[in-house]
Amino acid sequence: EDKVVQSPLSLVVHEGDTVTLNCSYEVTNFRSLLWYKQEKKAPTFLFMLTSSGIEKKSGRLSSILDKKELSSILNITATQTGDSAIYLCAVGHGSSNTGKLIFGQGTTLQVKP
Amino acid sequence: DSGVTQTPKHLITATGQRVTLRCSPRSGDLSVYWYQQSLDQGLQFLIQYYNGEERAKGNILERFSAQQFPDLHSELNLSSLELGDSALYFCASSVGSLRGYTFGSGTRLTVV
Repeated sequence: EDKVVQSPLSLVVHEGDTVTLNCSYEVTNFRSLLWYKQEKKAPTFLFMLTSSGIEKKSGRLSSILDKKELSSILNITATQTGDSAIYLCAVGHGSSNTGKLIFGQGTTLQVKP
Repeated sequence: DSGVTQTPKHLITATGQRVTLRCSPRSGDLSVYWYQQSLDQGLQFLIQYYNGEERAKGNILERFSAQQFPDLHSELNLSSLELGDSALYFCASSVGSLRGYTFGSGTRLTVV
């Protein structure tokens, strides 16, 4: 059965800390791995990682895909209270003409002042 | 604003009833996806339409159906509602498959 597992499920840190969120997957015909941030409602896109783009960085956020270990990490440096959210990992798989994503359970991050 | 519009934002209905959720994709996006997010299940893929045709199906119940119209908006119909159908229902759209995959703000359905 295809699955995506995230760890930890929840995390509490203080402003300025660095956090690492983990995502592992077991899917058939892996195509890409996506990270989303979900605050109040809609998940918002952070990164998409594929075989041709295994490392992405945007400001304090960065992500790496390890295709050998079937996993990815999302790093957030110098955390701020505005980083508090649920971080979702999703994997796209299957044929190239479909866009089905399998999501992990999410990691709830709370950043305290 | 993500550009993906979902209506209504909130819906409260009784068991056994039928509801319709509506989604307008971002301009230019041909694919529409429906997801269900409940507390115990997380985000679950329901169904994908591409330019009016069903492209992929997930664990969508037989009581649920969807369609995409010629103007590319999509509707998700939920019938014979049960308490367990209470959830956030998200629509997402993309140009092709995974590129530019963007979510709407969701419809919160409460079945009482």
